[in-house]
Amino acid sequence: NAGVTQTPKFRILKIGQSMTLQCAQDMNHNYMYWYRQDPGMGLKLIYYSVGAGITDKGEVPNGYNVSRSTTEDFPLRLELAAPSQTSVYFCASSYLGLAGTNNEQFFGPGTRLTVL
Amino acid sequence: AQRVTQPEKLLSVFKGAPVELKCNYSYSGSPELFWYVQYSRQRLQLLLRHISRESIKGFTADLNKGETSFHLKKPFAQEEDSAMYYCALLSPGGKLIFGQGTELSVKP
Repeated sequence: NAGVTQTPKFRILKIGQSMTLQCAQDMNHNYMYWYRQDPGMGLKLIYYSVGAGITDKGEVPNGYNVSRSTTEDFPLRLELAAPSQTSVYFCASSYLGLAGTNNEQFFGPGTRLTVL
Repeated sequence: AQRVTQPEKLLSVFKGAPVELKCNYSYSGSPELFWYVQYSRQRLQLLLRHISRESIKGFTADLNKGETSFHLKKPFAQEEDSAMYYCALLSPGGKLIFGQGTELSVKP
């Protein structure tokens, strides 16, 4: 199993450009997540999905969009990139069961994005 | 409101010294808590979860509902323990709420 994979690893964007961060998992997990990690701020949830065709906003969704057409893929779209979106982006997945079962989230390696 | 607080941004200790990384939470109900670790240039990975009551790499964490705490402890720190540590709370709906993180630096 490859686990959770993300592409690209690094990207530099100009203000106003758009791009899609790719995320895929091969563990047949129902839940997928996108986080951003800013220095000293921990991880903030951008969007998440509980299954194909279902997405919902997290804590910081503005400026981003997502889709979940398959169980495996959960791309994150940035429209009109702004310097405030400079961050490290992590995708994660989990199989959410009942409370007390294994609800571990598995993380991708991250995408380091700089907007200039 | 559900919240996780890690009061220390940086914790620096010498090798062999005891370590305690603090985590406090705010949650009504029975919390499900985790510690995640991020070593340099690596992805986040689960260190331990409170429901397992396990010890991983010498680390333990006990849930104290009275103090709403889930501190991470290790009696003798090693240099390879240097990393970023995140405490996290599982909220209804499957979302993890992370603390701000504590950078642990273990000096030789």
